[in-house]
Amino acid sequence: DTAVSQTPKYLVTQMGNDKSIKCEQNLGHDTMYWYKQDSKKFLKIMFSYNNKELIINETVPNRFSPKSPDKAHLNLHINSLELGDSAVYFCASSQDRGVRGRGETQYFGPGTRLLVL
Amino acid sequence: AQSVTQLDSQVPVFEEAPVELRCNYSSSVSVYLFWYVQYPNQGLQLLLKYLSGSTLVESINGFEAEFNKSQTSFHLRKPSVHISDTAEYFCAVSETGANNLFFGTGTRLTVIP
Repeated sequence: DTAVSQTPKYLVTQMGNDKSIKCEQNLGHDTMYWYKQDSKKFLKIMFSYNNKELIINETVPNRFSPKSPDKAHLNLHINSLELGDSAVYFCASSQDRGVRGRGETQYFGPGTRLLVL
Repeated sequence: AQSVTQLDSQVPVFEEAPVELRCNYSSSVSVYLFWYVQYPNQGLQLLLKYLSGSTLVESINGFEAEFNKSQTSFHLRKPSVHISDTAEYFCAVSETGANNLFFGTGTRLTVIP
């Protein structure tokens, strides 16, 4: 019954590899997000999708590519992984009810801990 | 551009003592304010938020925060903490008309038995 789920929970990989993280929400929300939390616990938004359309794309290397096959899923694909990509990646979702930016609560997944060796 | 400052990176406090976690923000437009809590190895959960109206907002587990526009602050308080309150607390803001949250660097609250 998890509201926002992410797979995998842990991901250990070598530099240069390509990997994907999947996110699914069963809340019926129409906006989904990816955040990166670094080793100092600082959280920063990477992307936001509304009804499969990209609406926020912060300064993120183009090795990171979000894909939204439907409004319940937002996957994150990372090419040519680097050591600095090691972090915890959180997916989140919110319900905009057609009007954005009214202080909607974002619901977070449990996180994916990525370690690049 | 918005920014959020949480001056205290770590706050140790004895069980049943009061606590205040400080949060200050800066923004050129109207904002909404949030406190999220992150328990060990978990995702973030909303604790409380201020949208409009009464400047004092409360959570179901005894936390409260007061929006102070003149001081651009949204400090979080609890009169008596429990061991289970040990967690990382994040203050965040979002602008009206935008979805994205800007987070502070977090405050680690450790409740000592």
